[in-house]
Amino acid sequence: GENVEQHPSTLSVQEGDSAVIKCTYSDSASNYFPWYKQELGKRPQLIIDIRSNVGEKKDQRIAVTLNKTAKHFSLHITETQPEDSAVYFCAAGGGYQKVTFGIGTKLQVIP
Amino acid sequence: NAGVTQTPKFQVLKTGQSMTLQCAQDMNHEYMSWYRQDPGMGLRLIHYSVGAGITDQGEVPNGYNVSRSTTEDFPLRLLSAAPSQTSVYFCASSFGQGANYGYTFGSGTRLTVV
Repeated sequence: GENVEQHPSTLSVQEGDSAVIKCTYSDSASNYFPWYKQELGKRPQLIIDIRSNVGEKKDQRIAVTLNKTAKHFSLHITETQPEDSAVYFCAAGGGYQKVTFGIGTKLQVIP
Repeated sequence: NAGVTQTPKFQVLKTGQSMTLQCAQDMNHEYMSWYRQDPGMGLRLIHYSVGAGITDQGEVPNGYNVSRSTTEDFPLRLLSAAPSQTSVYFCASSFGQGANYGYTFGSGTRLTVV
């Protein structure tokens, strides 16, 4: 089955700096890669996703890149703000596969 | 639309008891899943369904049963609760019959087994 590895597990950045979270996946059949943000005590929420026919996608301060050959994808957050503090999960899926999540990255933005 | 509704929000069970976690969605989503979330282990898939009448196992299915008699409902049954099943459970749904779209999650059920 699919295996998704995510790192780092914790990340602290100064407000205004950029944050990068990286994930790798094992199943070349995966073609859909979403990212979720989970604030403390709340449900995960989809923030951005990318499909395998696209190399990069951007939404305001958030961007995701995908390297199919290397089987890795990354989340980039620019100009971080305190409200970006949360746990971020990557995931891989597609077709009739199961959706497999990474273990999460706890991002702390220091004002 | 209410989205994905999970009940109850909190539950305490004694070892050996059984219970059903309810999940309902009103978005006409075909794909529904149950995950458990434990510290340091992310979200692990218990069972999933690609449509009414079709269910399949995830990575941690032991001790849990599911059924999908309607598009809207996807209950999760704990057969004989064990302390190892203490966790936060999330139900999620998505558009389409496959894992091709983002999930909408329910608010979660925090289960403690004593």
